[in-house]
Amino acid sequence: DTAVSQTPKYLVTQMGNDKSIKCEQNLGHDTMYWYKQDSKKFLKIMFSYNNKELIINETVPNRFSPKSPDKAHLNLHINSLELGDSAVYFCASSQDWPSGGSFTDTQYFGPGTRLTVL
Amino acid sequence: GEDVEQSLFLSVREGDSSVINCTYTDSSSTYLYWYKQEPGAGLQLLTYIFSNMDMKQDQRLTVLLNKKDKHLSLRIADTQTGDSAIYFCAPQKGGATNKLIFGTGTLLAVQP
Repeated sequence: DTAVSQTPKYLVTQMGNDKSIKCEQNLGHDTMYWYKQDSKKFLKIMFSYNNKELIINETVPNRFSPKSPDKAHLNLHINSLELGDSAVYFCASSQDWPSGGSFTDTQYFGPGTRLTVL
Repeated sequence: GEDVEQSLFLSVREGDSSVINCTYTDSSSTYLYWYKQEPGAGLQLLTYIFSNMDMKQDQRLTVLLNKKDKHLSLRIADTQTGDSAIYFCAPQKGGATNKLIFGTGTLLAVQP
């Protein structure tokens, strides 16, 4: 009964390759996120989707392209991998999106995908 | 800009209390979260506090919020070796985006 799952858990690949990381949530949430955690454990949001629509797109190279086929899935495709892309990528989800006011919506995180680019 | 600072490392003895501190700059933060990351694992939500509260207690965890000073702390009572992990402070950015700004993380080492 995993809430937020990611595949693969580990990904080792050569520079220049294209790879995808998949994320699925079975919580019935409307909003999903991708975060990147670097080697110093610094965690930063990359993208957020609400109901399959892109909401947050931080300053991320356009080699990174998120794709949301449905509300329960948010995949991350990376083209032309570079050494600096090596990191742990976390997917997260939350129930809803704010409608203009302040609110709380807890984000639940997946176990992470450790990407190593050689 | 958005900045969330934490001390990098804290070492305590088993049974003692741990206090992890966090300072942030975004005064519009409405909800402020604490997440725990064990080695090789994902982020586990520990607790959160709403910005109109000063304190929230949840079993061994106590969160204190000083909104004026933009200071958040997490106190863990009777710290156990299983509490050894990295703890992240994550204020939610105010306004119409549900965006968490993560702190640098504090590595808590619990000595037996």
